[in-house]
Amino acid sequence: SYVLTQPPSVSVAPGKTARITCGGNNIGSKSVHWYQQKPGQAPVLVIYYDSDRPSGIPERFSGSNSGNTATLTISRVEAGDEADYYCQVWDSRDVVFGGGTKLTVL
Amino acid sequence: QVQLVQSGAEVKKPGASVKVSCKASGYTFTSYDINWVRQATGQGLEWMGWMNPNSGNTGYAQKFQGRVTMTRNTSISTAYMELSSLRSEDTAVYYCARMPEQVGWFDPWGQGTLVTVSS
Repeated sequence: SYVLTQPPSVSVAPGKTARITCGGNNIGSKSVHWYQQKPGQAPVLVIYYDSDRPSGIPERFSGSNSGNTATLTISRVEAGDEADYYCQVWDSRDVVFGGGTKLTVL
Repeated sequence: QVQLVQSGAEVKKPGASVKVSCKASGYTFTSYDINWVRQATGQGLEWMGWMNPNSGNTGYAQKFQGRVTMTRNTSISTAYMELSSLRSEDTAVYYCARMPEQVGWFDPWGQGTLVTVSS
């Protein structure tokens, strides 16, 4: 089965740029979607189709996907961005989620 | 606005079944697939399967085959997920989510339903 690998944690100072990776075999050939989940809340879509932003999501959130790695980039990080982030793809007829990355804002 | 509202928390004994509902509003219920995802406390997201509310067709993750049933009532724009033969490892928050495109992303998500399995 297909496996998505995310770093368990990423730390960043306010105002800096956070990069959260999602690794998978030839993931560049798949569409990657990203979710933000704050404690006690349901996940929220922040990026779809590798790099598209839903309405209401700040331009500070961007995505890329190539080769074996997809990346969620959060520019000018704010305290409110502290959350768990999950990547997601479809593999054949199944949905696969990454293990999640906890973003800590220092 | 597009919204999914789920039923309340449940406590079940091992071996029992649970049925969680997900009521859709703000869009045409039969136009988009509904997926179900669960999350154990402190753990990641685990996909369970999908249902097409128009046709009733379903697709389940292999892990849940034979134990999960996804249905719908189009007259009240509500999707259901029933999980049987519950065990303690099924204790989790269960989410429904709309999938705007085939093999796509999930948006929005329901608020989640906590299912606790305990003797």
